[in-house]
Amino acid sequence: EVQLVESGGGLVQPGGSLRLSCTASGITIGNTFSSYEMNWVRQAPGKGLEWVSYINSDSYLKYHAAAVKGRFTIFRDNAKNSLYLQMSRLRVEDTAVYYCARDKGGIADLWGQGTLVTVSS
Amino acid sequence: DIQMTQSPSTLSASVGDRVTITCRASQSISDWLAWYQQKPGKAPKLLIYKASTLESGVPSRFSGSGSGTEFTLTISGLQPDDFATYYCQQYNNYFRTFGPGTKVEV
Repeated sequence: EVQLVESGGGLVQPGGSLRLSCTASGITIGNTFSSYEMNWVRQAPGKGLEWVSYINSDSYLKYHAAAVKGRFTIFRDNAKNSLYLQMSRLRVEDTAVYYCARDKGGIADLWGQGTLVTVSS
Repeated sequence: DIQMTQSPSTLSASVGDRVTITCRASQSISDWLAWYQQKPGKAPKLLIYKASTLESGVPSRFSGSGSGTEFTLTISGLQPDDFATYYCQQYNNYFRTFGPGTKVEV
């Protein structure tokens, strides 16, 4: 059974940087991470879900929400079964639980457990 | 970006009730709509995609309908495990957007 595990969250000051990771486990020969399209989705405390970024299987296509464009970068390393989110110039409003989610034609059908990012001085 | 709205924001219901949640898109998204269920402290769970297709393993009391700009999620015979927050999500383009959520409470 494929599972996604996020890591890298923590407390960071406004203006700081942080890199989140999402690693897939339980990968089999017929179900490889390199074939997955992936997303980052976040959820501020007590708030709803907000899509953040998308990347296709070979990293050719990358899209970011307007709220993070120019500050966040999504990338992946298929050899390591891993997805990343490089976050810079962080703001207080970026405080949230960040989930990675597998994208199947636009549908997030597999989610990680999330990692909490807190931006505060 | 395509904006999504949901109504109501909170819904009070009892076990056995039939519950309907409405989701509207700011422009036509055909049937590129998914529904998710989320419980406190947990990741969302996919329930329905392509507006009306039930994800494998999801109980048949959940159903979805609609196309274009208006969609509904119906729970026929609410069970104790169904008290949660429900989100719609459009995937008409790569800039996915979620609705604000509907909390189903006792």
